Amino acid sequence: GQNIDQPTEMTATEGAIVQINCTYQTSGFNGLFWYQQHAGEAPTFLSYNVLDGLEEKGRFSSFLSRSKGYSYLLLKELQMKDSASYLCAWYSSASKIIFGSGTRLSIRP
Amino acid sequence: DTAVSQTPKYLVTQMGNDKSIKCEQNLGHDTMYWYKQDSKKFLKIMFSYNNKELIINETVPNRFSPKSPDKAHLNLHINSLELGDSAVYFCASSQGTGGRTDTQYFGPGTRLTVL
Repeated sequence: GQNIDQPTEMTATEGAIVQINCTYQTSGFNGLFWYQQHAGEAPTFLSYNVLDGLEEKGRFSSFLSRSKGYSYLLLKELQMKDSASYLCAWYSSASKIIFGSGTRLSIRP
Repeated sequence: DTAVSQTPKYLVTQMGNDKSIKCEQNLGHDTMYWYKQDSKKFLKIMFSYNNKELIINETVPNRFSPKSPDKAHLNLHINSLELGDSAVYFCASSQGTGGRTDTQYFGPGTRLTVL
């Protein structure tokens, strides 16, 4: 909803790599956030992209293409603790952050 | 030394009652927010205050009234609670000067159940 889309659920194997995609409305775009939310807990900040390209931060990387309205979050060397929801959030020019409904990622041993 | 705190953590109440949720941040941020996360986990902004001034007011029933006594506090009062108000309410704060500085720091959430 609200012009931001990401898959509802994904499953991956411990030690593997997973890519979570997000598409958003391009007009009024001012940046893109990724948040992690474990069940029953608050969302926590993972990354922020405003320019095109890949930003790497340890096992997590985030990519942005402004012309395509597309971002992805790449998680490497998956651990069981990475089982969580991953929220893509688009920062609009009205100083408002619009969240996607999140991708629930399950890691299997 | 909790950064953003909310009380209560759980709130169970009857339909028609009035209740308040309190939020405090000790990060020195200028902007505070209230979000509602429903059963489908969709996180939706309700209100935003910058230095005690209301800057975002989404399409929220006027039964919901935020109050910011100072920039470190943002409370949410809900009148005449309805079943559909059951959700997790998150308070958040940010420096609020644009871009990365609007990274939201969330409180632990208040799980409201209306019976």
